[in-house]
Amino acid sequence: DSGVTQTPKHLITATGQRVTLRCSPRSGDLSVYWYQQSLDQGLQFLIQYYNGEERAKGNILERFSAQQFPDLHSELNLSSLELGDSALYFCASSPPRAYNEQFFGPGTRLTVL
Amino acid sequence: AQSVTQPDIHITVSEGASLELRCNYSYGATPYLFWYVQSPGQGLQLLLKYFSGDTLVQGIKGFEAEFKRSQSSFNLRKPSVHWSDAAEYFCAVGARNTDKLIFGTGTRLQVFP
Repeated sequence: DSGVTQTPKHLITATGQRVTLRCSPRSGDLSVYWYQQSLDQGLQFLIQYYNGEERAKGNILERFSAQQFPDLHSELNLSSLELGDSALYFCASSPPRAYNEQFFGPGTRLTVL
Repeated sequence: AQSVTQPDIHITVSEGASLELRCNYSYGATPYLFWYVQSPGQGLQLLLKYFSGDTLVQGIKGFEAEFKRSQSSFNLRKPSVHWSDAAEYFCAVGARNTDKLIFGTGTRLQVFP
């Protein structure tokens, strides 16, 4: 158990819908990262927040957005869902000055029908 | 641009045999290097990491990896594989000027009794 929690574990929804994935980082970690894992794209970095501020952006679609709240938990919002958005979404966290060392949550499996 | 190559998509070994999983990276300077393991339906667990110093690093579960700058490699090894090591293994590189991780495509390890 990494100490990073993600909810829900599974999510099944229809095309065109909007969902919110939630992540709670390990105690004391200020950075939160979101990754998408799919069969065709592998593990892709989406976005990073540090202490409430966006720090880095990766291959994140405009239909996707994220935020980090004052209590440091983070939410990833996915809208206008398409079949191709079906994937495993991971959250990771890291403490300050961690040299990229990241601790991953168990993931949320999103299925878009 | 940074990249990670794991040339072996699938490896099969017998229990008790030795294991080496290959990882090559592309990066202009010395990167931070990581190996993660993902069991079916699970998140990613950090096996070991290299930041600097001794090029042979020890990790959890009896794994080790060696950083070879001349070959741009960070291969993962284990002298005797156990059936419980069957999983997917990911090599990742982190850049010193960003926090995100770039992952390889993974190597699926199958262990026969």
